[in-house]
Amino acid sequence: QVQLVESGGGVVQPGGSLRLSCAASGINFSIFGMHWVRQAPGKGLEWVAVIWYDGRKKLYVDSVKGRFTISRDNSKNTVDLQMNSLRPEDTALYYCAGDPGGTGFNWFDPWGQGTLVTVSS
Amino acid sequence: QSALTQPASVSGSPGQSITISCTGTSSDVGGYNYVSWYQQHSGKAPKLIIYEVSNRPSGVSNRFSGSKSGNTASLTISGLQPEDEADYHCSSYTRSTVGIFGSGTKVTVL
Repeated sequence: QVQLVESGGGVVQPGGSLRLSCAASGINFSIFGMHWVRQAPGKGLEWVAVIWYDGRKKLYVDSVKGRFTISRDNSKNTVDLQMNSLRPEDTALYYCAGDPGGTGFNWFDPWGQGTLVTVSS
Repeated sequence: QSALTQPASVSGSPGQSITISCTGTSSDVGGYNYVSWYQQHSGKAPKLIIYEVSNRPSGVSNRFSGSKSGNTASLTISGLQPEDEADYHCSSYTRSTVGIFGSGTKVTVL
């Protein structure tokens, strides 16, 4: 059974940090590119970051560059998103999603159920 | 980079066909065949229903079809059913940011 399970969300003050994690099962994790995609309350989807299947390349949306870091551990089938200097506009449901193409961008499949991040004082 | 443009809402009666557009530029939709579509029921995670413009993953109903002309991609739902009521999002590879999504379309079955 293919499954992505996110964890690590919560409430944090502006300027604070959180580390999200996504655990994969039922897929050959080491050949998948892995993305983080977020969805603010009542809004559409926004792509946040991607890491290639082998970890060699990482790309970010401009609004999180220098604040967020994506990483992966293919021995544990996990991908993380370290989020620093959080802002209220980072408040969203954060999904991890696989990319069977492995590198660059192809499409997002499968998806996790999401973990909620709320940035508020 | 701005989101791809989708209509905010589309509605239809059961059995009808509806089409959702997704308009970008030559730097994304028009320049690459990596357009995908996602169905998102309320409170649920998105689900891939179309990839590479017109391909359906295994298990997705053949009532869903995709196409592209110039800078605009389209998703057509034929034989609309109550369970098709959901939000639909398009996505495309872009030259600049790797991934971009559309603004999302709410489909209502009347």
